[in-house]
Amino acid sequence: DAGVTQSPTHLIKTRGQHVTLRCSPISGHKSVSWYQQVLGQGPQFIFQYYEKEERGRGNFPDRFSARQFPNYSSELNVNALLLGDSALYLCASSHPGTMRETQYFGPGTRLLVL
Amino acid sequence: GENVEQHPSTLSVQEGDSAVIKCTYSDSASNYFPWYKQELGKGPQLIIDIRSNVGEKKDQRIAVTLNKTAKHFSLHITETQPEDSAVYFCAAKREAAGNKLTFGGGTRVLVKP
Repeated sequence: DAGVTQSPTHLIKTRGQHVTLRCSPISGHKSVSWYQQVLGQGPQFIFQYYEKEERGRGNFPDRFSARQFPNYSSELNVNALLLGDSALYLCASSHPGTMRETQYFGPGTRLLVL
Repeated sequence: GENVEQHPSTLSVQEGDSAVIKCTYSDSASNYFPWYKQELGKGPQLIIDIRSNVGEKKDQRIAVTLNKTAKHFSLHITETQPEDSAVYFCAAKREAAGNKLTFGGGTRVLVKP
């Protein structure tokens, strides 16, 4: 079975631009969460989506938004990019309702803002 | 909110020796504690997890212990091998309260052959 997939793998943008990152969860998983990992730090929670609805939001500005599609894939959008948005963006999928809500991470999208 | 502290930030061990990483958490309602291993250029991979109704869990060379009273949990790797070299992250969350994992700052483990 394929794991969590993310695209693109790498991205370079300039300040003020916007970016869209994509994630496909493990087949059968209905929940997707997004994390930001700045170099040298642990991942920080941005959003959780389940059944196309936002179920949790971390401490990130409104420039960050996301959505989930009927096939459970998800997009993370970031507007008005800042240098500090440079990071590895991780997507994790899980299957809420099972005994173990283990989150499985994708390889991430590395975003560099110049 | 939850805060997770992880120590040490770097750990160098000789192949075959044991490695121990310690984490403390602040939210007494947290009840799920996973450990992830992250290799260069990859996403975090779950290696073991523990729930608050269990004090210890083992999986081959890896074990995790949890002290709810002191609010700390530890990862133990025995008989370390070069392929254990990676960054390890502990995390905590309240189960059935969404997917928000709060991660520690990570421990870079280097196993010297």
